Amino acid sequence: KNEVEQSPQNLTAQEGEFITINCSYSVGISALHWLQQHPGGGIVSLFMLSSGKKKHGRLIATINIQEKHSSLHITASHPRDSAVYICAVKGAETSGSRLTFGEGTQLTVNP
Amino acid sequence: DGGITQSPKYLFRKEGQNVTLSCEQNLNHDAMYWYRQDPGQGLRLIYYSQIVNDFQKGDIAEGYSVSREKKESFPLTVTSAQKNPTAFYLCASSIRYSGNTIYFGEGSWLTVV
Repeated sequence: KNEVEQSPQNLTAQEGEFITINCSYSVGISALHWLQQHPGGGIVSLFMLSSGKKKHGRLIATINIQEKHSSLHITASHPRDSAVYICAVKGAETSGSRLTFGEGTQLTVNP
Repeated sequence: DGGITQSPKYLFRKEGQNVTLSCEQNLNHDAMYWYRQDPGQGLRLIYYSQIVNDFQKGDIAEGYSVSREKKESFPLTVTSAQKNPTAFYLCASSIRYSGNTIYFGEGSWLTVV
């Protein structure tokens, strides 16, 4: 079993739909990242969470430390949101920025 | 603008040849990292460097080599010893090794034929 599990692996939505991507992890962590990978391969950081909830525009990320679970929500989805979304955790027992990555969720938003 | 520049974006090489991927950052970050991405798998750490003139093996270092002679540069050499070199390679950096915020480059696609 991977330390970081994402679901679903693939998600297709219609423009305007509310989208949720889930991430479960099996280790204690100090931080969780949500990343977006563009079709060309470049990765940008969307959120870094250690507790609670963060919001940026139409994106919302939540984390439940007790349940070892995080969700990324996209409201009013748009075709430009189509990308791979990656969850990554920084283990509490690990020093430094070594991250463990999920396999990613491929999101396609159709017009 | 500050950032991480990887080159080349696409690279084709014949089997048995060494190839070097460039990674340059102008963020004044101490720590730099190389990751490999394969279809259906999460990113895996190849090598990392906490500070100039220092580097450490990651989880899949076999068949790879790195150097960190300058703070802004962390080139990765994929040697002929790497059994399955065809992959997408990502360079990243953070302000320090213990820092939480990590920045990624645009990646390099390596195809070995």
